[in-house]
Parts: sequence; C-alpha cells; structure tokens
Amino acid sequence: EAAVTQSPRSKVAVTGGKVTLSCHQTNNHDYMYWYRQDTGHGLRLIHYSYVADSTEKGDIPDGYKASRPSQENFSLILELASLSQTAVYFCASSLRGSQNTLYFGAGTRLSVL
Amino acid sequence: QQQVRQSPQSLTVWEGETAILNCSYEDSTFDYFPWYWQFPRESPALLIAIRPVSNKKEDGRFTIFFNKREKKLSLHITDSQPGDSATYFCAASAVNYNQGKLIFGQGTKLSIKP
Repeated sequence: EAAVTQSPRSKVAVTGGKVTLSCHQTNNHDYMYWYRQDTGHGLRLIHYSYVADSTEKGDIPDGYKASRPSQENFSLILELASLSQTAVYFCASSLRGSQNTLYFGAGTRLSVL
Repeated sequence: QQQVRQSPQSLTVWEGETAILNCSYEDSTFDYFPWYWQFPRESPALLIAIRPVSNKKEDGRFTIFFNKREKKLSLHITDSQPGDSATYFCAASAVNYNQGKLIFGQGTKLSIKP
C-alpha cells in the first residue's frame, strides 16, 4: 500500500523563525506535492515536483520554498514563518501527474505564534 | 477566482436518505474530476473519479452525475450511513492546461444523522 510519511506531525513555531516540514514516500512515485488546508479554502497547492532536484510553483508559493533532493523526499521550507502560515500541511505523491490518484500523508499541524 | 465551487458548504441528512453534493467549474478544458473524502483528523483519500467521456460513474452507493454543457457535476450517496460523515472535496484538472494541476473546491461537510 502507498505510504507517505510526514514529519513532524505538529509544530509550534515563532514568527520570523525558519520551519522545515519533511515528507518521505515509499511508493516509487514520480510526483510529489505540498498542499495547505485552511477551513473554508479546501486544499491549495503550494509547490510540487515531478523529478528529483527540480520543483515547480503551485498556486500559492509565496513565502514557501521546496526541495526535492531525491525521488523519495520532498521538503517544504518556511524561511520566515508568519502568523498567516498557521495551517495544516499535507504532502502527497502520485505515480505520474494529478490525473493519477494522490496519496496523502497524515498531515502536519503548524501553529505560528 | 475560485475555479471549482462546491455547494452546500455543509449538509445534514438522515440515515438511509440520499445525499446530493454539488460541484461546478469554470474552465471547459478540465477533463478529470475526482472526488476526495476526508474524515475528521485524517488525510484526504480518493473516493471516486470521472472523465467527461461518460455522464455517469457509479461505485456502490456513490454515483457521479456529470453535465458537460452546464459545467456541473454532483455526487449522490444513496442509503447514507453514519460512516459516510466526512468532508467531500470535488477537484478538477486538465492534462494539457495549467501544468495539469489539480484544483480543489472548498469542500462540503456531510453529516449523517442516525
């Protein structure tokens, strides 16, 4: 079964601090995604990647960086965390593009104070 | 601009009734429409999906009805069960548009009363 593991599961960060969210998949999938979930906004795509060492901007990339050092690992970096980045973050993977099933990780609940 | 819209935001039906969740979209190039469901404190998971070559897709108690001309689709859940209580997300993508990105609606929270 598809496995996407996120760490940490929850984090409290201070405004202006650096935050790194990690994602690891064992599905041998090419595509990986970072989504943000806020009440009333559904899921919004931040960054995605279809090959190692390359990342693409999603729909709301401002304030976020991404890194894909290997096929299995995809990180989301908040260089200067802000209050507005408090949300639940989901990593997902898919075999090829978005028209294949997305398999989501358990999510990371981030609170920026 | 919200490219995928869902209604209602929340819906409550009695056990055994049919729940109808609605979705509309802006861009006629969208050619893949999955529905994901998310139980409280869990992650989203694919429930059912349709491509516009068909007007209907059925999987057990779950059926998608698709109207390409009106750019609308709906998810019907027959014989609703308390275990169906979840948030349902309609999504859309186009293989040759917008880098194939999947766009999610804001979700419908469904509650089934026993």
